[in-house]
Amino acid sequence: QVHLVQSGAEVKKPGASVTVACKTSGYKFNFYALHWVRQAPGHNLEWMGWINGGSGDPHYSQKFQDRLTISRDTSATTVFLELSSLRADDSAFYYCARANYEMAGGFDSWGQGTLVSVSS
Amino acid sequence: QSALTQPASVSGSPGQSITISCTGSSNDIGSYHVVSWYQQDPGKAPRLIIYEGTKRPSGVSNRFSGSKSGNTASLTISGLQVEDESDYYCCSYAGDNIWIFGGGTKLTVL
Repeated sequence: QVHLVQSGAEVKKPGASVTVACKTSGYKFNFYALHWVRQAPGHNLEWMGWINGGSGDPHYSQKFQDRLTISRDTSATTVFLELSSLRADDSAFYYCARANYEMAGGFDSWGQGTLVSVSS
Repeated sequence: QSALTQPASVSGSPGQSITISCTGSSNDIGSYHVVSWYQQDPGKAPRLIIYEGTKRPSGVSNRFSGSKSGNTASLTISGLQVEDESDYYCCSYAGDNIWIFGGGTKLTVL
């Protein structure tokens, strides 16, 4: 059974960086892409970027290109999101989601979400 | 890349059918058969209910169906049930390894 388990809530000050981990299990890590999606409370889903589980190549939304890094540790089957230069409007739930190639890239499994709060 | 356009809210009575539209452009929905739909209950992660525009994952009720015409995708829920009350989001591939979500639609079952 596929599981995506994310690291715990974070509280950060403006200008700091945050790293969120997504530990995967139950499937062949290298065969699937992993995406990151965020959602500010009461707002819509916002796609941030993804990483190829096999090659490790990341791809980013233009909005976050300058301060987002997505990486992976294949031995730990874990994907990481690092967002730098945090601002108050980065406060949101951050979700990892597996893209299933057999479902035309549909995000078929999701992590439970990690709340990142940015406040001075 | 702007978000795909969805109505902010729709409503219906139990047993009725409703349709939620998702309008994009020739750069996303119009060019790719890679539209998916998600249901999100309050405080929960989204759940995939439609992929590749029209297909349902295993375990999703056949009351949910998807379609696409030109730059617009649609989600139809037939035989509305109280438990269908939720937020719904569309998502499309937009080329160049980029994906984009819709603004979300709140469904109220009256």
